[in-house]
Amino acid sequence: ELKVEQNPLFLSMQEGKNYTIYCNYSTTSDRLYWYRQDPGKSLESLFVLLSNGAVKQEGRLMASLDTKARLSTLHITAAVHDLSATYFCAVGDFNFGNEKLTFGTGTRLTIIP
Amino acid sequence: DSGVTQTPKHLITATGQRVTLRCSPRSGDLSVYWYQQSLDQGLQFLIQYYNGEERAKGNILERFSAQQFPDLHSELNLSSLELGDSALYFCASSVAGTGNVNEQFFGPGTRLTVL
Repeated sequence: ELKVEQNPLFLSMQEGKNYTIYCNYSTTSDRLYWYRQDPGKSLESLFVLLSNGAVKQEGRLMASLDTKARLSTLHITAAVHDLSATYFCAVGDFNFGNEKLTFGTGTRLTIIP
Repeated sequence: DSGVTQTPKHLITATGQRVTLRCSPRSGDLSVYWYQQSLDQGLQFLIQYYNGEERAKGNILERFSAQQFPDLHSELNLSSLELGDSALYFCASSVAGTGNVNEQFFGPGTRLTVL
């Protein structure tokens, strides 16, 4: 059974600092998604990573995927308050257009002014 | 706004009852997915439909069932409700064709409270 672990579960950081969220998974997959969720809201797609070595950046967020290590990272650069949210990684089990996503536990990020 | 709509936003019901949650996918998307989010179980995949056919199944209880209609909207039916079924239920949609990219876009969710 696929297991997806995120750490840390909670992260409180000051504005302007850098930090990384880690996502480890237990079985082979080359499909990894990152989502953001604000309190009481839906999930917003951030990144789709579909191959080993994939790196994507959007603003202050950068995501990467190492399929050999079964590890994805979400790096936050010079954090701002607007980035406060819960971040989820999800590993895809894809087969001819059919896909199950297994989500990590989420990382609740709080940016302190 | 992802373009995925869900109704109702909130639902409060009693144990033993049955409810139906509704989802309309983004225009052009053929696949619909259902997820359950609860404090103790986290986000769990329940089931996927593609153009009316069931395609993938996750940890969906036997008391739960879903279908996708010809106009591509989907319904999730929850019966014999228990307190532990209280959760946020999300629907997502994707194109899910033969291409490799299968980004899923999530609706606003239905918050179910079972009393």
